[in-house]
Amino acid sequence: EPEVTQTPSHQVTQMGQEVILRCVPISNHLYFYWYRQILGQKVEFLVSFYNNEISEKSEIFDDQFSVERPDGSNFTLKIRSTKLEDSAMYFCASNQVRRTSGRGSTLYSDYEQYFGPGTRLTVT
Amino acid sequence: GENVEQHPSTLSVQEGDSAVIKCTYSDSASNYFPWYKQELGKRPQLIIDIRSNVGEKKDQRIAVTLNKTAKHFSLHITETQPEDSAVYFCAASIPHGGTSYGKLTFGQGTILTVHP
Repeated sequence: EPEVTQTPSHQVTQMGQEVILRCVPISNHLYFYWYRQILGQKVEFLVSFYNNEISEKSEIFDDQFSVERPDGSNFTLKIRSTKLEDSAMYFCASNQVRRTSGRGSTLYSDYEQYFGPGTRLTVT
Repeated sequence: GENVEQHPSTLSVQEGDSAVIKCTYSDSASNYFPWYKQELGKRPQLIIDIRSNVGEKKDQRIAVTLNKTAKHFSLHITETQPEDSAVYFCAASIPHGGTSYGKLTFGQGTILTVHP
């Protein structure tokens, strides 16, 4: 079964440094997301991405954050100047919604968001 | 924006008992309600989901019910086993931009412990 993959699994960085977290979504998926989870807390939405642009972003996703899909497979999250409070597990997710066109075709939607294994970011 | 509240925060049961976790949501536009199981240090994994046009869904020992009027949904696990021990998160999704997808807003999580 295809899976979302993420690298690295653990990143340690110093405050003020830039980090790039990488994700490879499932190949035929169209929508991509970043979430984060501070230790012991709930999963929080950061940003969604579709058709090479941001669709939605949360208040957490400020100017220090950016996302990019540099090629046909990778989806990256960049934090320009990390802060201590950026320490968290960052999950990438993807899903696919197929729309139909033409006669006799059936609408199919896959709501499920498939999560990657996460990158644990530690800012010291 | 959407707000999802989840209760209880911890739940301890004996093996074989049932477990029920409840969530409420605030935005009536939400139309998709997944439940994720997360084991320590692992990714969230979908265990069951329900759409707003359905009131109940069952998959073996797991069932989810949705009450759109009251804006709440619940996860029911029957015949619990020690391997069911994990953190369970509910979530709600509002369709975005005329599509059927949208971000997930998660509840705070429930730590379920099943004692042998």
